[in-house]
Amino acid sequence: GAVVSQHPSWVICKSGTSVKIECRSLDFQATTMFWYRQFPKQSLMLMATSNEGSKATYEQGVEKDKFLINHASLTLSTLTVTSAHPEDSSFYICSSRDQGQNSPLHFGNGTRLTVT
Amino acid sequence: AQSVTQLDSHVSVSEGTPVLLRCNYSSSYSPSLFWYVQHPNKGLQLLLKYTSAATLVKGINGFEAEFKKSETSFHLTKPSAHMSDAAEYFCVVRNPNQAGTALIFGKGTTLSVSS
Repeated sequence: GAVVSQHPSWVICKSGTSVKIECRSLDFQATTMFWYRQFPKQSLMLMATSNEGSKATYEQGVEKDKFLINHASLTLSTLTVTSAHPEDSSFYICSSRDQGQNSPLHFGNGTRLTVT
Repeated sequence: AQSVTQLDSHVSVSEGTPVLLRCNYSSSYSPSLFWYVQHPNKGLQLLLKYTSAATLVKGINGFEAEFKKSETSFHLTKPSAHMSDAAEYFCVVRNPNQAGTALIFGKGTTLSVSS
């Protein structure tokens, strides 16, 4: 079945550094990729929607210069947390749909980011 | 606008007893509704989905949910809890008529199962 591979699964970084998270669709074309963030004991919140070959659409309150999203190919989307701070520590997860708006979404396994 | 409310942040049951996780939604059209489960340190897994077909939806691992339009509810149930059911469960809504629409998640319900 369709799989989304997300890497890394966890990362610890120092404040001020940047971290890149990758999501790859392994056997389907991910025209659209959704990026979510989950703070402890809270729901998953949509951060942005990336479309292959175009600029990502960010949700209100999400800084596009801080959370850089690149979706240069149909199988790879990346989220870069720039100049990370401890408040960026969270669980980040991507998801994409195989094809067609009624096909199921496939989620990556998520990335646990801890900024020290 | 769409929204989803999970009425309980935490539910505790004993193994072998029924499970009920409550979810109410708000939508101006007929939504697609989902239940996802997230086990610790793992990704989200789809349990079941409702997409305007049968109102009683059967999912994996013995879970099912009933879409009740009059009550705007989509509660998740299981007749007999298993220890492996302990996880966090999310009720999710999506506009099926809008291509590329993301999911809107409820705040989640943590299910604890005791022996």
